[in-house]
Amino acid sequence: AQTVTQSQPEMSVQEAETVTLSCTYDTSENNYYLFWYKQPPSRQMILVIRQEAYKQQNATENRFSVNFQKAAKSFSLKISDSQLGDTAMYFCALSSSNTGKLIFGQGTTLQVKP
Amino acid sequence: KAGVTQTPRYLIKTRGQQVTLSCSPISGHRSVSWYQQTPGQGLQFLFEYFSETQRNKGNFPGRFSGRQFSNSRSEMNVSTLELGDSALYLCASSPPLTGETQYFGPGTRLLVL
Repeated sequence: AQTVTQSQPEMSVQEAETVTLSCTYDTSENNYYLFWYKQPPSRQMILVIRQEAYKQQNATENRFSVNFQKAAKSFSLKISDSQLGDTAMYFCALSSSNTGKLIFGQGTTLQVKP
Repeated sequence: KAGVTQTPRYLIKTRGQQVTLSCSPISGHRSVSWYQQTPGQGLQFLFEYFSETQRNKGNFPGRFSGRQFSNSRSEMNVSTLELGDSALYLCASSPPLTGETQYFGPGTRLLVL
C-alpha cells in the first residue's frame, strides 16, 4: 500500500524568511510522481510543484523548491522569501505510473506572520 | 483555458436523500477524479473516470457512484445520505497519461442534516 506522512501539523514563519515542510512516503513502485499542493482558506487546491521519481534533479518553481531523497523516501518543500499569501494548508501527494489516484498526506498548516 | 468547474458550490441535504454533483474538466482533459475531504479523514480518493469508463475506485461504499459523459464532464452521486457524508467534494482533471498533474476545481461543500 502507498502511504504519505506529513509529521508537522502546524508551522509558522516570519515574512521574508525560509521554511521547510517535511514529507515522507512509502511505495513499492519504481515509477511514481510526487506533488505539493496548497489549499488556502478559499479551499481551492493549487499545484505548487511536481517531481518525477525518475528525475534526480530537484524540481524548482520560483520561490518553491524540493529536496527529493529517493532512497530515504523523503520529499520536503522549501519556501524561500515567505509571503503572507503563502499562508495555507500544504499537502504532499503521491501517484504511481499505473493509476491516476493521488494519495495525500494529512497536511501542514503554514502561517506566515508579518 | 478555463479551469475545472464544479456545481453546485454549496448544498444542504437531509439524511436519506440523494445528491448529484457535477464537474466540468479543463478543455482537452479526459481524466476526471473525485476526492472527499473531511477534517477527520483528510483527502480520500473516490474514483477516476477516463473516456467514460471508471479506471480506478477508492474504498467507499456502493452509495457513492459516478459517471462520465462523452464530453468528459463527470457527475458523482451519493444515495441515502448519511451525516458522515458531510464533506468538501473535490473534482480534478488531468491529461490522459497517468502521473500527469491533476488540476482541482473549487469543490462542492455538502452538509447533511
